[in-house]
Amino acid sequence: EAAVTQSPRNKVTVTGGNVTLSCRQTNSHNYMYWYRQDTGHGLRLIHYSYGAGNLQIGDVPDGYKATRTTQEDFFLLLELASPSQTSLYFCATSPGNNQAPLFGEGTRLSVL
Amino acid sequence: GEQVEQLPSILRVQERSSASINCTYENSASNYFPWYKQEPGENPKLIIDIRSNMERKQIQGLIVLLDKKAKRFSLHITDTQPADSAMYFCAASRGSGYNKLTFGKGTVLLVSP
Repeated sequence: EAAVTQSPRNKVTVTGGNVTLSCRQTNSHNYMYWYRQDTGHGLRLIHYSYGAGNLQIGDVPDGYKATRTTQEDFFLLLELASPSQTSLYFCATSPGNNQAPLFGEGTRLSVL
Repeated sequence: GEQVEQLPSILRVQERSSASINCTYENSASNYFPWYKQEPGENPKLIIDIRSNMERKQIQGLIVLLDKKAKRFSLHITDTQPADSAMYFCAASRGSGYNKLTFGKGTVLLVSP
């Protein structure tokens, strides 16, 4: 069954800490996305990729890096975490052609 | 930037009544409009979508209407049940071929018995 798996599911770090969120898909989808979800803001796109080695900037990229190492794996990096990055993060995949993304289970990140 | 406005932010209805959520978008080139349902503690899940070559789509008790001239689309849930209580998000594509969506801020639907 097609799946989007995120890890860790929960993470607590301190201000200035270094965090990597992982996403792995078994969908064989070309597009992978990182979103953050915050009350009052809905889902906002951080970064996305349309294939291994490709990276595109989303709408709220400041403070985040991303890397797509393979077709299956997409990582979100917070090198100097700040409390404003406390959020629920979702990875999603899509085959393209404007088809609806399929979301992973989410990672809840707290930056103290 | 491109915005999708979603209203209302909270919607309370009685069981077996209808619920309607409305969204407006800015980009006249947007051609794909999915709707997601998110239950507490879970991820958003696609429930219905519509493309710009259609004006209406129905899947069981879910109806989506699209008015391209007004840049407006809406979700109507008929015969609501308590199990329909959830957060609902609308989204619009960033014009054709961009494979990016702009999401509305969400509507919390509360269906009381």
